[in-house]
Amino acid sequence: SAVISQKPSRDICQRGTSLTIQCQVDSQVTMMFWYRQQPGQSLTLIATANQGSEATYESGFVIDKFPISRPNLTFSTLTVSNMSPEDSSIYLCSVGEGRWEQYFGPGTRLTVT
Amino acid sequence: AQSVAQPEDQVNVAEGNPLTVKCTYSVSGNPYLFWYVQYPNRGLQFLLKYITGDNLVKGSYGFEAEFNKSQTSFHLKKPSALVSDSALYFCAVRGLDYQLIWGAGTKLIIKP
Repeated sequence: SAVISQKPSRDICQRGTSLTIQCQVDSQVTMMFWYRQQPGQSLTLIATANQGSEATYESGFVIDKFPISRPNLTFSTLTVSNMSPEDSSIYLCSVGEGRWEQYFGPGTRLTVT
Repeated sequence: AQSVAQPEDQVNVAEGNPLTVKCTYSVSGNPYLFWYVQYPNRGLQFLLKYITGDNLVKGSYGFEAEFNKSQTSFHLKKPSALVSDSALYFCAVRGLDYQLIWGAGTKLIIKP
């Protein structure tokens, strides 16, 4: 299975600022996904980021708030823009490539004060 | 629309006893089903999947799951629970755009 790393692992940010989360994979993958998870709760898909195309956002998530880059087959970033305390959450990236299942990074724990 | 339900917020089991974590699904077409585990302060780990074939699927850490088409269920099981199995368990079904649709999660507590 792919090995996925995320940076930063955690951060505390002030409201109104932006944070960019990086997701690095040790192999080339076409499909990458970004999720949000409140501790102890289920996952919510933010967007699907396929290399060579614009990210596809789920209902309730917009590009201006969560811009995503996918410059190559091993890397993606998610930016949380103009943050508010409601954005405090765990952000996860995952990959699915030629397999049915997805594999997840360790997550980025974001606290907005 | 594809959906998954985990009817139990929490399951308590004594160590050494068998455990079952329930999952039911609703899909159009063939179901592709998954179980994941999340240990405290750790990422999600893939346990097992059902795509086709044998209704009893074996996965990591001694877990298995039984696919039941008539009952639209995919329950996770283990014959003998360990304290270290205590974690949050998620059932998921593959959506039409290759995304995963997640259940609410079940907290499994194994008591010594």
